[in-house]
Amino acid sequence: EAEVAQSPRYKITEKSQAVAFWCDPISGHATLYWYRQILGQGPELLVQFQDESVVDDSQLPKDRFSAERLKGVDSTLKIQPAELGDSAMYLCASTRTSETQYFGPGTRLLVL
Amino acid sequence: ILNVEQSPQSLHVQEGDSTNFTCSFPSSNFYALHWYRWETAKSPEALFVMTLNGDEKKKGRISATLNTKEGYSYLYIKGSQPEDSATYLCAWGSGYSTLTFGKGTMLLVSP
Repeated sequence: EAEVAQSPRYKITEKSQAVAFWCDPISGHATLYWYRQILGQGPELLVQFQDESVVDDSQLPKDRFSAERLKGVDSTLKIQPAELGDSAMYLCASTRTSETQYFGPGTRLLVL
Repeated sequence: ILNVEQSPQSLHVQEGDSTNFTCSFPSSNFYALHWYRWETAKSPEALFVMTLNGDEKKKGRISATLNTKEGYSYLYIKGSQPEDSATYLCAWGSGYSTLTFGKGTMLLVSP
């Protein structure tokens, strides 16, 4: 069964450093999402792509976060510089339709 | 801000117990209601997508109901097993592919 791949699974960094997360969606899924889940909260949407275009990045802190999906397949989420409050689980999901979103295992980020 | 609320926050039951969780969501601009199961160190797994008022879905020992008019959904687990231990997330869809998640209900089933 096809799965959404994410790497790394865990990342520890110091504040003010740059970090990057990678996501490879299920083949054929045009829509890709990045979510952030802070401990004790539900996942919150950071950015949504339709193919290579950003559909919604209204909740993305654009002063330090950037996301790209250059060829409309895999995607990278970058944080520069990282802050202590960025410690969270970063989830990637993909879908072919407007219904079920399929999630990857996430990247757990700890900023020291 | 329109919130999705889940209760209880956590639940500890014994193997064989049946249990249920609640998800409440705004009744306006409803598109779909999703349930996910998220086991530790794994990917969130889609359980159900429900779109119609009165929908009932079932998958093995797990079932869900939907009331869009009053804005709630129930998830039931019959005869809980230790492998059911996970966080159960609901997500409210208010438009094409836009989901707002609740904080989840953490279930622990002891043998």
